[in-house]
Amino acid sequence: EAQVTQNPRYLITVTGKKLTVTCSQNMNHEYMSWYRQDPGLGLRQIYYSMNVEVTDKGDVPEGYKVSRKEKRNFPLILESPSPNQTSLYFCASSSSGSGRREQFFGPGTRLTVL
Amino acid sequence: QKEVEQNSGPLSVPEGAIASLNCTYSDRGSQSFFWYRQYSGKSPELIMFIYSNGDKEDGRFTAQLNKASQYVSLLIRDSQPSDSATYLCAVNNYGGSQGNLIFGKGTKLSVKP
Repeated sequence: EAQVTQNPRYLITVTGKKLTVTCSQNMNHEYMSWYRQDPGLGLRQIYYSMNVEVTDKGDVPEGYKVSRKEKRNFPLILESPSPNQTSLYFCASSSSGSGRREQFFGPGTRLTVL
Repeated sequence: QKEVEQNSGPLSVPEGAIASLNCTYSDRGSQSFFWYRQYSGKSPELIMFIYSNGDKEDGRFTAQLNKASQYVSLLIRDSQPSDSATYLCAVNNYGGSQGNLIFGKGTKLSVKP
């Protein structure tokens, strides 16, 4: 089954404790992206990757890191999480740039930083 | 700052009626437009995409694009209670890359039986 998977689905952590949210897709998509969704603010892009070893900042990259060492994986790293990073996070992938291609979204990761 | 604006709603329509969802965007260079549906607690799923001025129909859904007015809309005919969800408008931002997709904040639709 074609899908985007994220782990963990739910995470409660404390300020300053490094964490990684994994994202993996099995559709051989070149393009992958991370979003956060907050009430009243909508979906905002954090980082995206056009292909292996190619990443770029979205609209809200501060406090996040990403890497794209393999085509199928695009982990999101929070080196020192803070309460304002409490949010619902979505990973997405598509077959090329988002311009003319549907983005397939993962199920989401709900993160709470205390 | 490139922006996509939507009325947050809630938009309430009776079952069987036409629901009309609207979206405006600020970047005149935008070329690709998407409508996603998101049920509460779920991830967004694509409903329609449109690239050219005019109408595009897919079943009960019609997307309308007017680039001169920087306006895109989604019509849902014969609305069903199962259509109750938040609808997200998204615009491709061609600012140097195809990779930056800008979403509106979404319009919450409620279809009453």
